Amino acid sequence: SYELTQPPSVSVSPGQTARITCSGDALPKKYAYWYQQKSGQAPVLVIYEDSKRPSGIPERFSGSSSGTMATLTISGAQVEDEADYYCYSTDSSGNQEGVFGGGTKLTVL
Amino acid sequence: QVQLVQSGAEVKKPGASVKVSCKASGYTFTSYYMHWVRQAPGQGLEWMGIINPSGGSTSYAQKFQGRVTMTRDTSTSTVYMELSSLRSEDTAVYYCALWRVGFDYWGQGTLVTVSS
Repeated sequence: SYELTQPPSVSVSPGQTARITCSGDALPKKYAYWYQQKSGQAPVLVIYEDSKRPSGIPERFSGSSSGTMATLTISGAQVEDEADYYCYSTDSSGNQEGVFGGGTKLTVL
Repeated sequence: QVQLVQSGAEVKKPGASVKVSCKASGYTFTSYYMHWVRQAPGQGLEWMGIINPSGGSTSYAQKFQGRVTMTRDTSTSTVYMELSSLRSEDTAVYYCALWRVGFDYWGQGTLVTVSS
C-alpha cells in the first residue's frame, strides 16, 4: 500500500525556521495537504494543494512540493506552533485511497 | 457556520459492531464529500474511507474493506460509519472530516473503546 514518510520529530528554537518533510512516490502527481494537531484536539488544516494557506492560518506557515517531496515550512516558529503535523495525499493508482504520513512532533523551545 | 457534531463515546466487546454518527449543519449537505479518519491512542491519523452524501457512493481503505460501512441520511444531514468485528486494535478516536479544499472541518471525535 502507498506510504508517506515524515521524520518523527523536528526541534527548533523560537524564531527559527522549522521545515517538515513528507516523501511519497505519487507526490509529483498528487497534491499534499498539511494538518496541525495539538494535544487532545482535532486536526486543523494549515496548507492545502501543496502551497495554499486557508484563511486564518498565519503567514509564517508555507508549503512547497518538488518531485517526490513536499515540505511544510514555519518561518519564525512560535511556542504555540508546538504540535504534531501530518501530511496527507492520495495514491495515483486510480482507487484514490487517502493516506496520512506518520506525523512529525514539532518541538519549539 | 459549518458544524459537524458526532455521537458520544462507546464501549464495545470484541466481535461486536459500532455505529458512529456525524450530523452536519451550516452548508449544503450534498455538496461535499465526507471522510472518516481514526486515531488510536498515542498514534497517528489513519484514513478509513469516503462517502458522497449526494448519491451515497463510497470508497474504503483496503485495510477496512469488508468491515466498514458508510451511509448517509439526507433528511437529517447525517453520515454514519459502522465498523464490525471489533477487536482491541480498533480502540481509537473516530473523526468525520468534511472535504472542501482539504479536510477543513472536523467533528469533535468519538472515542470507541473495545474491551472485554
